[in-house]
Amino acid sequence: GQQLNQSPQSMFIQEGEDVSMNCTSSSIFNTWLWYKQDPGEGPVLLIALYKAGELTSNGRLTAQFGITRKDSFLNISASIPSDVGIYFCAGQRGRSNYKLTFGKGTLLTVNP
Amino acid sequence: DADVTQTPRNRITKTGKRIMLECSQTKGHDRMYWYRQDPGLGLRLIYYSFDVKDINKGEISDGYSVSRQAQAKFSLSLESAIPNQTALYFCATSLEVEQFFGPGTRLTVL
Repeated sequence: GQQLNQSPQSMFIQEGEDVSMNCTSSSIFNTWLWYKQDPGEGPVLLIALYKAGELTSNGRLTAQFGITRKDSFLNISASIPSDVGIYFCAGQRGRSNYKLTFGKGTLLTVNP
Repeated sequence: DADVTQTPRNRITKTGKRIMLECSQTKGHDRMYWYRQDPGLGLRLIYYSFDVKDINKGEISDGYSVSRQAQAKFSLSLESAIPNQTALYFCATSLEVEQFFGPGTRLTVL
């Protein structure tokens, strides 16, 4: 089946540092999504990417749709304690199939 | 009010019991999904429904069944719960690709 390899699995950083995480696959995806899950809550959509090479920002978050369509990157600048949580990438393959494949998540811890 | 609600939020049950988890949405989306989350395994799709008359198995449907009672309601049932079904369960909805999640149900099977 389709797999998304998300890395790193976990990160422990100091407040104010920048963060990078990525997802890669051996398959081509048509859409990439990035979600954040706070403890005890459901995932919340952060950024959606629809075109290869697309670079999209949402506040301190920036995500890119890889040019090969097999990867995506999420960067968080100037991290703050409320950035703590699990970040998931998700990809959609078929143009008429709305199912998503999820990465296993990156657990981010921010030390004040 | 939340757009996607799940009940109950927490449930402890015993092996062999029948359990139903319910999901309701006010977003007007046709597509609804049930996922299971286990530590370190991410989100895995159990069942999905693209409209009221459409039900499809996901990657881990064994031991589960679903019912789409209306556009706004999608229920997940465990006919005979077993301990390895202990997990967080999420319902999601979508208009197209972007999925919106409920707050989750934490299920413990003893």
